[in-house]
Amino acid sequence: ETGVTQTPRHLVMGMTNKKSLKCEQHLGHNAMYWYKQSAKKPLELMFVYSLEERVENNSVPSRFSPECPNSSHLFLHLHTLQPEDSALYLCASSQGGQGVNSPLHFGNGTRLTVT
Amino acid sequence: DQQVKQNSPSLSVQEGRISILNCDYTNSMFDYFLWYKKYPAEGPTFLISISSIKDKNEDGRFTVFLNKSAKHLSLHIVPSQPGDSAVYFCAASEGGGGADGLTFGKGTHLIIQP
Repeated sequence: ETGVTQTPRHLVMGMTNKKSLKCEQHLGHNAMYWYKQSAKKPLELMFVYSLEERVENNSVPSRFSPECPNSSHLFLHLHTLQPEDSALYLCASSQGGQGVNSPLHFGNGTRLTVT
Repeated sequence: DQQVKQNSPSLSVQEGRISILNCDYTNSMFDYFLWYKKYPAEGPTFLISISSIKDKNEDGRFTVFLNKSAKHLSLHIVPSQPGDSAVYFCAASEGGGGADGLTFGKGTHLIIQP
């Protein structure tokens, strides 16, 4: 059983909808991440939160809006998405900090389809 | 511009033989390297890692080799088992890893044939 839980597992939304993806980690980690996996592309880092503060944005369009209310929860708010945003969205956590070699622990992802 | 490259989209190996998955990187600042394994409908799971101060790390059937001068690493699985069939991602980070996130390759689909 994964220590990182993502809901929902599947989501279909229209381009005018607003929805949110949720992630929860039970590992006591202090860093959380959103990654995007599109077909035939590497996993792309979208957002990083360390100690509940955003540390990296990676030029993600503003139609994706992250929120990290505490070190165990991470949200990705979606609005006015495009069909090319259809992908697998993966949440991950780690025990972060410079000089710390800590692997990421991933959730099972949310398969998003934008129609 | 891909900083982590896995040039083989797929690899087929007979059960019991050695599987060798390769990965090349271009960023000389990378100092922490990892391999992840992914089954369909699941997130990637951490398999094995290596720091740039080492050239080999072994964990059971899995061994990762790092050649810093060639900017190349490889994952050896021996003996290969049917449950090893999955997509394997190579990943790297700089600055000791931690909260900086990882840069991933596109993955290699390993198929173990009975």
